Amino acid sequence: RKEVEQDPGPFNVPEGATVAFNCTYSNSASQSFFWYRQDCRKEPKLLMSVYSSGNEDGRFTAQLNRASQYISLLIRDSKLSDSATYLCVVKPSGGFGNEKLTFGTGTRLTIIP
Amino acid sequence: NAGVMQNPRHLVRRRGQEARLRCSPMKGHSHVYWYRQLPEEGLKFMVYLQKENIIDESGMPKERFSAEFPKEGPSILRIQQVVRGDSAAYFCASSPGWTSNEKLFFGSGTQLSVL
Repeated sequence: RKEVEQDPGPFNVPEGATVAFNCTYSNSASQSFFWYRQDCRKEPKLLMSVYSSGNEDGRFTAQLNRASQYISLLIRDSKLSDSATYLCVVKPSGGFGNEKLTFGTGTRLTIIP
Repeated sequence: NAGVMQNPRHLVRRRGQEARLRCSPMKGHSHVYWYRQLPEEGLKFMVYLQKENIIDESGMPKERFSAEFPKEGPSILRIQQVVRGDSAAYFCASSPGWTSNEKLFFGSGTQLSVL
């Protein structure tokens, strides 16, 4: 089983729609969780951290369910500029700094005009 | 305020040659991380370095790969005797130090193509 699993997509969604991505992780001791965004052939960029209480940043909402080892990302009122690959990222327990972030393979999203 | 700088952006090598990838961290950052992204796969951790120290190299292949972060100059990821399977995007990231928050700042990557 992969450490971080995501549906690769692609998700083709009309502009203005709501889209949700899911991610599961295998290490129950994982401490921190993130969603990164990666545009084609470019560097990943942090979209948002994910907290147990759930958190929202504008049109983006992230949720964490530790019991089910499940992370979600919801995008409301999707824009053309949201087209990208969304990476689910998990930081395992222990260690210093940010090393050994474990990345999922990503979910590809295309917003259709 | 320059971000993480990687060069070259693209690197083409023939099988058996050496590849050297460079990474200059953000100003004030003393920790560097290298990740590799194979086609259609997620980023995989390779190595974590501090100035003049390798902190964690558990993701590095045992042979042909090495990394350094000297006191002066950029971090270097070196791949000797490259093979086609080394073709990938290599991303470098930096952070300020031990107590940094989760945010990693990534460079634009080096796309290595082995012919």
